[in-house]
Amino acid sequence: KQEVTQIPAALSVPEGENLVLNCSFTDSAIYNLQWFRQDPGKGLTSLLLIQSSQREQTSGRLNASLDKSSGRSTLYIAASQPGDSATYLCAVVFADGATNKLIFGTGTLLAVQP
Amino acid sequence: GAGVSQTPSNKVTEKGKYVELRCDPISGHTALYWYRQSLGQGPEFLIYFQGTGAADDSGLPNDRFFAVRPEGSVSTLKIQRTERGDSAVYLCASSLTSGWAYEQYFGPGTRLTVT
Repeated sequence: KQEVTQIPAALSVPEGENLVLNCSFTDSAIYNLQWFRQDPGKGLTSLLLIQSSQREQTSGRLNASLDKSSGRSTLYIAASQPGDSATYLCAVVFADGATNKLIFGTGTLLAVQP
Repeated sequence: GAGVSQTPSNKVTEKGKYVELRCDPISGHTALYWYRQSLGQGPEFLIYFQGTGAADDSGLPNDRFFAVRPEGSVSTLKIQRTERGDSAVYLCASSLTSGWAYEQYFGPGTRLTVT
């Protein structure tokens, strides 16, 4: 079964700290991997999309890396701020068919303390 | 431009009733997806449309669930004989086309509560 796992489930850090969120997936045959942010009671905001041929993507203080062979991705957040507090979701499109459905992890709940 | 919109934002219904949830994708997006998110979980895929046709409905949990997209734009997710276990946030997403290179953009969701 194709699964996506995120560790840790929750993380609390002081403001200004750099942090890494982890995502692992069970099958290295993927089309792409997407990181999302979800605020309480809200929908999902796309942060970064990494194609299977890419190793990393950057947007502002965010950097996402992809290692297909080991089935891992990391989301690095530099100089964290209280406004970064949210749930971060990792999702994968596995290359097993024609549908680009996203398979999601259960998320990491991040709290940045002022 | 406008993002994906979903109505209603909240829906409370009694067990056994019929409900319809609506999704307006981003203008020009041909691919549309429905997902369901239970408390504390990541979203789970339900159904995918490319244009007017349901290209993959493998995620629909049973035949009480049905979705349509008659004109290739707005989509409606229909749930018959609702059960308490159907309570969740129903999310809709669209992308420019079905190619795997394209991001999916999500709406704010409809929170369904079945009492």
